Amino acid sequence: NAGVTQTPKFQVLKTGQSMTLQCAQDMNHNSMYWYRQDPGMGLRLIYYSASEGTTDKGEVPNGYNVSRLNKREFSLRLESAAPSQTSVYFCASSEQVRSGNTIYFGEGSWLTVV
Amino acid sequence: QKEVEQNSGPLSVPEGAIASLNCTYSDRGSQSFFWYRQYSGKSPELIMFIYSNGDKEDGRFTAQLNKASQYVSLLIRDSQPSDSATYLCAVKSDSGYSTLTFGKGTMLLVSP
Repeated sequence: NAGVTQTPKFQVLKTGQSMTLQCAQDMNHNSMYWYRQDPGMGLRLIYYSASEGTTDKGEVPNGYNVSRLNKREFSLRLESAAPSQTSVYFCASSEQVRSGNTIYFGEGSWLTVV
Repeated sequence: QKEVEQNSGPLSVPEGAIASLNCTYSDRGSQSFFWYRQYSGKSPELIMFIYSNGDKEDGRFTAQLNKASQYVSLLIRDSQPSDSATYLCAVKSDSGYSTLTFGKGTMLLVSP
C-alpha cells in the first residue's frame, strides 16, 4: 500500500535551474496538496487542488507552478530555483469530506538550491 | 489570517509521565482539529482528530477541545521514549472548502 509517493527524495539544484517534483496517490482522493517545511516555520501550503481540473494558491505560491495531471498525480514545478526555495517539500492528499479533511503525507523531498 | 499557535518546546518528560501538548487557534469558525506526529526526517502522520467539545480518547492519547476558549490539547499517558517527536496541531474551518492550517509544532522529549 503505497499511499502518497513523491519523487525525487533528494535533489541539489543550482540557482536558476528548473525542476519538477512528482507526486502520485493511490487512495482515490479528490484533493491534493503541496507543502513546504522550513525550520521554525512549520508546514506552509504552496498550492492545492481541491479536485481534478482545479488548482489554487496557498500561503506561499510565489516561484512555483503546479499541474493536476489527473486524479492521481499532482506535480510541483520550480521554474527558476532560488536559494530561498531550499526546503523539504511534502505532497499530500485527502478525501474532501464535509466534516473532516484528514491529510495523508508523502515521505518528503529534500531540495537544496546552491 | 488564520493562526495556530503552539509552544515550540522542547517539552521534556520522564518515561511513564503524562505529556501535555497545547494549541490555540484564532479562527472561531474552525470545526475540525487534528494532531499529527512527526519524527525527525520523516513525514507527519495523523494521531487523532476531534470535532466536538470535550475529550476523545484513543489508547494512550486523549485530545481535548474547548471551542469557547479556542484551545485544543493532546495528552499522552505513560509516555515512552518512542513518543519523542514533534507534534503538530492542525485546524480546519468548515466555511466551504478549506485546507488545514498547521501550527509550528511542539518538540517532545521523553527520557528513559
